[in-house]
Amino acid sequence: KQEVTQIPAALSVPEGENLVLNCSFTDSAIYNLQWFRQDPGKGLTSLLLIQSSQREQTSGRLNASLDKSSGRSTLYIAASQPGDSATYLCAVVNYGGSQGNLIFGKGTKLSVKP
Amino acid sequence: GAVVSQHPSWVICKSGTSVKIECRSLDFQATTMFWYRQFPKQSLMLMATSNEGSKATYEQGVEKDKFLINHASLTLSTLTVTSAHPEDSSFYICSARGLAGDFRYEQYFGPGTRLTVT
Repeated sequence: KQEVTQIPAALSVPEGENLVLNCSFTDSAIYNLQWFRQDPGKGLTSLLLIQSSQREQTSGRLNASLDKSSGRSTLYIAASQPGDSATYLCAVVNYGGSQGNLIFGKGTKLSVKP
Repeated sequence: GAVVSQHPSWVICKSGTSVKIECRSLDFQATTMFWYRQFPKQSLMLMATSNEGSKATYEQGVEKDKFLINHASLTLSTLTVTSAHPEDSSFYICSARGLAGDFRYEQYFGPGTRLTVT
């Protein structure tokens, strides 16, 4: 059974710092991995989608890497801003699933202090 | 990107009543829709998967008679919480995927519905 773990559970950094969020998964047989952002009481905003054949994806100040063989992904945020404060969720789609649903980690709550 | 809406965004109901939540794909045809539930400070847990025109597939531990899912068209799925109880209070989020059978494609999420049962 696929399990997705995110470390750390919470992170507080001063504005301007570069930071890395970690995601690991137990079954490397995945179709893809997605990083999401969730603001309190809100839905999910998709940040980056990495297909299993890809190594990384970039969007603005965000860079996500995928090492499928080791079951790891990282989300790198450059020059963090207070507006980046949110919970970041990592999720994978398994080969083994019959419906292609996403399996989520518990998230990393990021706080960027001005 | 594609847009998914949910209605209502929040609802308060009395214990024992039923509540219907709508999930719509606004600018694409959603062959498959997923319903997730999120308790406070927890991650999203899949409740069920619905494919247009067929019965929903429920995850283990989710009561199909309590959480009725209908996916009658390619742009609309509904979740009805029947005989709601306070323990059903949660944040319900739907997502939609456009192409059947190709799990590489991105899922697009709705904004969620906050259900409070008193």
